[in-house]
Amino acid sequence: AQSVTQPDIHITVSEGASLELRCNYSYGATPYLFWYVQSPGQGLQLLLKYFSGDTLVQGIKGFEAEFKRSQSSFNLRKPSVHWSDAAEYFCAVGAGITGGGNKLTFGTGTQLKVEL
Amino acid sequence: DTGVSQDPRHKITKRGQNVTFRCDPISEHNRLYWYRQTLGQGPEFLTYFQNEAQLEKSRLLSDRFSAERPKGSFSTLEIQRTEQGDSAMYLCASSLIGQGDYEQYFGPGTRLTVT
Repeated sequence: AQSVTQPDIHITVSEGASLELRCNYSYGATPYLFWYVQSPGQGLQLLLKYFSGDTLVQGIKGFEAEFKRSQSSFNLRKPSVHWSDAAEYFCAVGAGITGGGNKLTFGTGTQLKVEL
Repeated sequence: DTGVSQDPRHKITKRGQNVTFRCDPISEHNRLYWYRQTLGQGPEFLTYFQNEAQLEKSRLLSDRFSAERPKGSFSTLEIQRTEQGDSAMYLCASSLIGQGDYEQYFGPGTRLTVT
């Protein structure tokens, strides 16, 4: 069965500082990986996704993530955090031939706080 | 494209009552998913449809839960004889399979509180 671990429940960074959110997955085949962001009262918004190809993927809002098969990781990064980035971030893995078209398994999330 | 919509946004009910939620996916999306999210947790998969066919149900979906997508468009999720443990955010998502877009688009959710 697939699983996702986000080891950091809460992270606080200063505005303008760099950010890295960790994600480790467990899946027997090539995973389909996603990062979503959820603001209070809002639905989940997709930041970026990895299906195949270049292991460094660019997303919206200046985010990027790197797929490292050897470490079973898909960490999210941003070089300079803005106060509006404060939210909860979820890593997810999709399975099957259709990858993200099949059910997603989410991590427990990382709550990001940005200090001004 | 108006996105995925869910109704109601909030529902408060007494234990033992039945509730029904509605999800309208992005038009022409052929897959529709239901997830449940409790406080401090990530969303958990409940079930999904391809067109009107329900293809998979999680073990989380007890006999008190039923979902339908009668014409392959909107979907309803019904919970019978609600329990306090059913209190959660119920999220709906849709996607278009077959044209290389496997991204799931989420609605704003329905927050259920069972008193």
